[in-house]
Amino acid sequence: DQQVKQNSPSLSVQEGRISILNCDYTNSMFDYFLWYKKYPAEGPTFLISISSIKDKNEDGRFTVFLNKSAKHLSLHIVPSQPGDSAVYFCAASPHSRSNDYKLSFGAGTTVTVRA
Amino acid sequence: EAGVTQFPSHSVIEKGQTVTLRCDPISGHDNLYWYRRVMGKEIKFLLHFVKESKQDESGMPNNRFLAERTGGTYSTLKVQPAELEDSGVYFCASSHRWGTEAFFGQGTRLTVV
Repeated sequence: DQQVKQNSPSLSVQEGRISILNCDYTNSMFDYFLWYKKYPAEGPTFLISISSIKDKNEDGRFTVFLNKSAKHLSLHIVPSQPGDSAVYFCAASPHSRSNDYKLSFGAGTTVTVRA
Repeated sequence: EAGVTQFPSHSVIEKGQTVTLRCDPISGHDNLYWYRRVMGKEIKFLLHFVKESKQDESGMPNNRFLAERTGGTYSTLKVQPAELEDSGVYFCASSHRWGTEAFFGQGTRLTVV
């Protein structure tokens, strides 16, 4: 039973434009959400996170939005750069409620930034 | 500071053989996790160590998988005997005791033929 879903397996965007990646979750116990970025033959690297007490977190070109009522979060990358081409994973955990840090991941979205 | 290191990076074994994967976490990280990604699907949790103790092994597929963490340092994941469906990329991650951000290793690509 997949509790975190990324329904878009791929996204192609022109350099300089905005990339919007979406993620939906089903488990109401999730209260901490993360985005990881993965290049081929490498492990996922942490990108940005958001706690359920917030609805927005920004770090440079990356902004994550959380809509708790809809159980939906999104990652915005503005402006998109060629080096952003990678697989992006959405992840969630219920850690502050259950002291459980294990992550549930989505299947990933492959982003291709065109020059 | 060295990151999470995994050995080997690739392993090809025959069905029925045994394989042992190793993970060296970031020094000082009490939390150590094993995850697996099969066929380009989602990354799935296998188990979680806090120091040398297994905190949660609810994601372990079956008793052919055995994980250990000697002295709370490095960890091994043994698959015995390996089956075709065990093929995938096995990731190890570590974090501070109360840390929410897990750092991942580069993964071990296991192919069972």
